[in-house]
Amino acid sequence: QKEVEQNSGPLSVPEGAIASLNCTYSDRGSQSFFWYRQYSGKSPELIMSIYSNGDKEDGRFTAQLNKASQYVSLLIRDSQPSDSATYLCAVTDLGGGADGLTFGKGTHLIIQP
Amino acid sequence: DAGVIQSPRHEVTEMGQEVTLRCKPISGHDYLFWYRQTMMRGLELLIYFNNNVPIDDSGMPEDRFSAKMPNASFSTLKIQPSEPRDSAVYFCASSSLAGGQTDTQYFGPGTRLTVL
Repeated sequence: QKEVEQNSGPLSVPEGAIASLNCTYSDRGSQSFFWYRQYSGKSPELIMSIYSNGDKEDGRFTAQLNKASQYVSLLIRDSQPSDSATYLCAVTDLGGGADGLTFGKGTHLIIQP
Repeated sequence: DAGVIQSPRHEVTEMGQEVTLRCKPISGHDYLFWYRQTMMRGLELLIYFNNNVPIDDSGMPEDRFSAKMPNASFSTLKIQPSEPRDSAVYFCASSSLAGGQTDTQYFGPGTRLTVL
């Protein structure tokens, strides 16, 4: 059975600093990796996807993937109070739109003004 | 676009009662997913459909749970009989492999179910 592990936090980061979120997964067959953001009482929202080893940058967000170590991370630069949320790591064997996602339990991030 | 629509948004019921959750996916999307979120277990996939056909129902916890998709614009998740441990937020999500954003599942607002 696939497992996705995340530190539940809370992770507290000062405003303007870099927030680093980590995730490990158990299934070596996983092909697609995602970071979702979920505000309290709201639904998850996709913020980053990554499929190949290395880094992928989108604005203030950088996703990093290391398949050999079965490790995915998300860096948030210039953290803002609005980034305070729970960040969910998810994996799937296929493209994320065509397969069910296996989620970690999430890391609660707090950006301190 | 209206996004994924779920109803009801909140449901409180007594143990043993039947509960039906409803979902309308984004128009044109051909994948529909049902997830359940609890503090203890996190966000779990229950079942998903492609073109109205169930593809993977291995996450459905037991026979008390059933899901249908009679057409491209409507799906139901039914729990009969309901139990207190079914209390959770149930999310519906949809996606499409056509056009851009093929890796994105769009989540509805969720239904918060409380079984007393």
